[in-house]
Amino acid sequence: AQKITQTQPGMFVQEKEAVTLDCTYDTSDQSYGLFWYKQPSSGEMIFLIYQGSYDEQNATEGRYSLNFQKARKSANLVISASQLGDSAMYFCAMRGSGNTGKLIFGQGTTLQVKP
Amino acid sequence: DADVTQTPRNRITKTGKRIMLECSQTKGHDRMYWYRQDPGLGLRLIYYSFDVKDINKGEISDGYSVSRQAQAKFSLSLESAIPNQTALYFCATSPTSGWSLYNEQFFGPGTRLTVL
Repeated sequence: AQKITQTQPGMFVQEKEAVTLDCTYDTSDQSYGLFWYKQPSSGEMIFLIYQGSYDEQNATEGRYSLNFQKARKSANLVISASQLGDSAMYFCAMRGSGNTGKLIFGQGTTLQVKP
Repeated sequence: DADVTQTPRNRITKTGKRIMLECSQTKGHDRMYWYRQDPGLGLRLIYYSFDVKDINKGEISDGYSVSRQAQAKFSLSLESAIPNQTALYFCATSPTSGWSLYNEQFFGPGTRLTVL
């Protein structure tokens, strides 16, 4: 069975500093995709970044990068130069190689950016 | 206008009542999903649909039913609501074309449901 684990229920970071949100996964699939979503206090789910299991380079999207370590089954999100607007819940999710397209989510990490 | 809409956005109901949550999308996607979010548990899949005639149970389908009225509409029903169905409910869509692993899911704004 597939599983996503986020072990940090809450994190604090000082504005303008970088922060890493941890995500480990478990799957027997050879092909899979890893996603990060942001959920601000307003509740909507905002897609941030995607990493495919066969991608050799770590994904980057603006201030977001994904530190993908396949052998360790980890897909940590790195946010550089944190901003107050980054305060939110962050979810790591995985899609396996089955055809359902469904996502398996982690428990989420709440990030608070301090001014 | 939003590509994926959910109605209502907030709902308070009583135990035993039947309630329907509606989802509409203008993205033209075939695949639609219903998730629920509970604190500390992330999002969990309730039902998903590949087209009007293809509906499948997710990991927590007990107590829920769905209807895919059209490609663009996917409704979730609670036949007899109970308090532990209090949660934030999300509808999501994704395209079928291409290598499915790489297709992002697009989420609606969510429906906050409280069952008293």
